Amino acid sequence: AQKITQTQPGMFVQEKEAVTLDCTYDTSDPSYGLFWYKQPSSGEMIFLIYQGSYDQQNATEGRYSLNFQKARKSANLVISASQLGDSAMYFCAMRERYTGNQFYFGTGTSLTVIP
Amino acid sequence: KAGVTQTPRYLIKTRGQQVTLSCSPISGHRSVSWYQQTPGQGLQFLFEYFSETQRNKGNFPGRFSGRQFSNSRSEMNVSTLELGDSALYLCASSDTISTDTQYFGPGTRLTVL
Repeated sequence: AQKITQTQPGMFVQEKEAVTLDCTYDTSDPSYGLFWYKQPSSGEMIFLIYQGSYDQQNATEGRYSLNFQKARKSANLVISASQLGDSAMYFCAMRERYTGNQFYFGTGTSLTVIP
Repeated sequence: KAGVTQTPRYLIKTRGQQVTLSCSPISGHRSVSWYQQTPGQGLQFLFEYFSETQRNKGNFPGRFSGRQFSNSRSEMNVSTLELGDSALYLCASSDTISTDTQYFGPGTRLTVL
């Protein structure tokens, strides 16, 4: 089974609108971390936001927030007030504390912001 | 703190040659991971080193190897290069091998002719 599933290969959003990028994960480890990364066309992976499995509140970092629904094993990224510079690939990732410790990445979602 | 650095940034090799890529982690980070990214296969995990020991390994042939030095710097070696090894190779570092965030370098773009 896939550890991280991103079902949206491509998304479009109007500038200044909000957009949600979906991510579901699969783990039986009680402790894990969830991450979102942005990869512009330059290739560098930029860390955006982190959510720990025991965190009670959803993580927020500026215009980024993570909608964490533990029971549904869902960790969607919400980008508010989209900007042209947000056009990039977005990857969801997970790391388990006790099971293997490997970082697992999803296949990514390509976001295009339309002026 | 300086970020993760990778050298070289671009590399062109021919089939059959070997290549060594270098990664310097963020100061104080002891874990270094390597990934291969291609348009067809996406982002694939190669291996992870922590305190000079390989802790995790992905599903790659033995032509791909790595090591980590006492200063946490890491090198990745690919021997007998094949056309399919053309990819962006990303290095990432983290403080530990727990659930800490991994921070990525700019990558090395390898082209095999």
